[in-house]
Amino acid sequence: DAGVIQSPRHEVTEMGQEVTLRCKPISGHDYLFWYRQTMMRGLELLIYFNNNVPIDDSGMPEDRFSAKMPNASFSTLKIQPSEPRDSAVYFCASSFYRANYGYTFGSGTRLTVV
Amino acid sequence: KQEVTQIPAALSVPEGENLVLNCSFTDSAIYNLQWFRQDPGKGLTSLLLIQSNQREQTSGRLNASLDKSSGRSTLYIAASQPGDSATYLCAVSVPRTDSWGKFQFGAGTQVVVTP
Repeated sequence: DAGVIQSPRHEVTEMGQEVTLRCKPISGHDYLFWYRQTMMRGLELLIYFNNNVPIDDSGMPEDRFSAKMPNASFSTLKIQPSEPRDSAVYFCASSFYRANYGYTFGSGTRLTVV
Repeated sequence: KQEVTQIPAALSVPEGENLVLNCSFTDSAIYNLQWFRQDPGKGLTSLLLIQSNQREQTSGRLNASLDKSSGRSTLYIAASQPGDSATYLCAVSVPRTDSWGKFQFGAGTQVVVTP
């Protein structure tokens, strides 16, 4: 398996623009998580899905953030409009209950909003 | 709410010395605990996953122990090498119906192994 695949690896955008981050989980995994990592706050859980259904979005910072999982093999995290304080590394992770929910992380997307 | 703490935040050891990394958690009713490694500018790589009914897991030079009653896990890395330099994070999951499958992360311990 190719692991969890995220795209793009790097994104530089201007304030106010829409940003879309993409994630392809490991085939067969039934949980998908979006995390944000910064030096100040560490790893923060933004939202997670179980069988494509959002379970907990309490970590989404504000209405500018939205996430979807239209099918088992694809998820997006959208920021509209983007702000400089959104600059961070965004990670996607997936897990499978039969593997005792152990996480596999993607390589992350480094977002810079200027 | 589950709180996960890793102390110290940073650690430097000479090559060949054994590494001992600590993780503590406030809610002992965990489902499992996972240790990760993160290299600078990279993603998180899973090292070991310990289920709640296990006391330890081993992989090569790595050994992780779990003591639920005291709310602690320890990651041992034998005979450290410069390539072990990285940040090590632990994460725990709690078997609650509103958070099933979700892990709470510690802030990590940054390790430097000097040649």
